[in-house]
Amino acid sequence: DTGVSQDPRHKITKRGQNVTFRCDPISEHNRLYWYRQTLGQGPEFLTYFQNEAQLEKSRLLSDRFSAERPKGSFSTLEIQRTEQGDSAMYLCASSSRQGAQETQYFGPGTRLLVL
Amino acid sequence: AQSVTQLGSHVSVSEGALVLLRCNYSSSVPPYLFWYVQYPNQGLQLLLKYTSAATLVKGINGFEAEFKKSETSFHLTKPSAHMSDAAEYFCAVSESGGSNYKLTFGKGTLLTVNP
Repeated sequence: DTGVSQDPRHKITKRGQNVTFRCDPISEHNRLYWYRQTLGQGPEFLTYFQNEAQLEKSRLLSDRFSAERPKGSFSTLEIQRTEQGDSAMYLCASSSRQGAQETQYFGPGTRLLVL
Repeated sequence: AQSVTQLGSHVSVSEGALVLLRCNYSSSVPPYLFWYVQYPNQGLQLLLKYTSAATLVKGINGFEAEFKKSETSFHLTKPSAHMSDAAEYFCAVSESGGSNYKLTFGKGTLLTVNP
């Protein structure tokens, strides 16, 4: 169990550019979540995958955001035409169902700064 | 809809003193409750979780939390603070039922430990 990994850890980009983040979940976990955390706030849910299927998206996820999880393994989160308001920490978490309850394990996050 | 309120965005204690971080939740169904800790520029680490098996939950690093349904609270405590406990703490709730166990977080409480 190597934990959840995210790449890159930091990203600085100019407004209008596209960025892509990657999340590698714990290998046996079939569920994967993306959250966004802005300064001074708790993480907010963005989207959720069960295996390769994206089952729910938050209204926070505008049409500039897209997420994929091909083959139910790693996931990518792409932001097109970045805006300064996209500056935040993007967190990935994975879990596996254990009975009626699950525990989400978080990666270290990708910190995005849009100039 | 579920929500979490953490009373006090900043708590300061002396080393060796009692730590008490407050969390109140609202949920329309029996909740699952979690405390996570976040160190600077890192992801979230699970401290403990309420599974409905016992109202007093023990976690890592000497922390524990008590679920009180009548008060809709899940406060986090530690008898004696250590310098290494300085971090930000997040209370989170997820709802039972359905297939998406997305977490709803409070805004966090920054714990400072003074020597």
